[in-house]
Amino acid sequence: DAGITQSPRHKVTETGTPVTLRCHQTENHRYMYWYRQDPGHGLRLIHYSYGVKDTDKGEVSDGYSVSRSKTEDFLLTLESATSSQTSVYFCATTGENGYGYTFGSGTRLTVV
Amino acid sequence: GENVEQHPSTLSVQEGDSAVIKCTYSDSASNYFPWYKQELGKGPQLIIDIRSNVGEKKDQRIAVTLNKTAKHFSLHITETQPEDSAVYFCAASHTGNQFYFGTGTSLTVIP
Repeated sequence: DAGITQSPRHKVTETGTPVTLRCHQTENHRYMYWYRQDPGHGLRLIHYSYGVKDTDKGEVSDGYSVSRSKTEDFLLTLESATSSQTSVYFCATTGENGYGYTFGSGTRLTVV
Repeated sequence: GENVEQHPSTLSVQEGDSAVIKCTYSDSASNYFPWYKQELGKGPQLIIDIRSNVGEKKDQRIAVTLNKTAKHFSLHITETQPEDSAVYFCAASHTGNQFYFGTGTSLTVIP
C-alpha cells in the first residue's frame, strides 16, 4: 500500500458522535475514493473525488460527507455515527486513466 | 446500477490443484473487469484485469477469461500454493471511476 496512508487504523466511538477518517496519498493521483467493506456486501462506494473540491456521491453515501482541499488528502466524515456505520473503511486512488485502484490498509471503525 | 455476483463464497483446494472463481455482471456497458486479492488485515491488491475487447489474459499462474455475450468473467489460478490463500474480489466498471464489487471468495489452499 505504498503511497496511501489511512488514519486512524482503528477507532471506537459512541453513537451520535462525529468521526473523521483521513486518507493521505503521495502518488499525486487525481481520483480518490472511499469504500466500506462489510461481510456479505463486498466493497461499496461511499463517495469519490475527481479533483480538489470536486466530489460526488457513490452507492451508499447517506450519513457521510467528504472533503478534498488538497490533492493529497481526502477526508470522510460521519456527522453523527450510528451502529450501522460500524465497518472497515478503505481509501483508494487511481491515476489519470481512472483504472487500477490502489487501496490503503483500511480503518476499522466500531460504533457502540 | 451495475450488479456483480460472485461464486463461490468459499473455496478449498489442495495445494497444486486449480481454483476457479466466477462472476456475472448485469450492465452490458461495463468494459473493465479487475480482480483483487485481499490478505488478512490488508487492503485489496490488484492482481489482474481485463478489458472488454479481450477474451483472455494470463499472468504466470493467474488467468482471467471474459464472455461478454453471457456477461460473465472468471479467475483461474493454476498450481495453487498456500500463499494464494486470501479473499478474492471481482469488480466491473464502465466509467473507470465507479467500480462495483462482488461479495468476495475466501480461498483456502490446503498444504
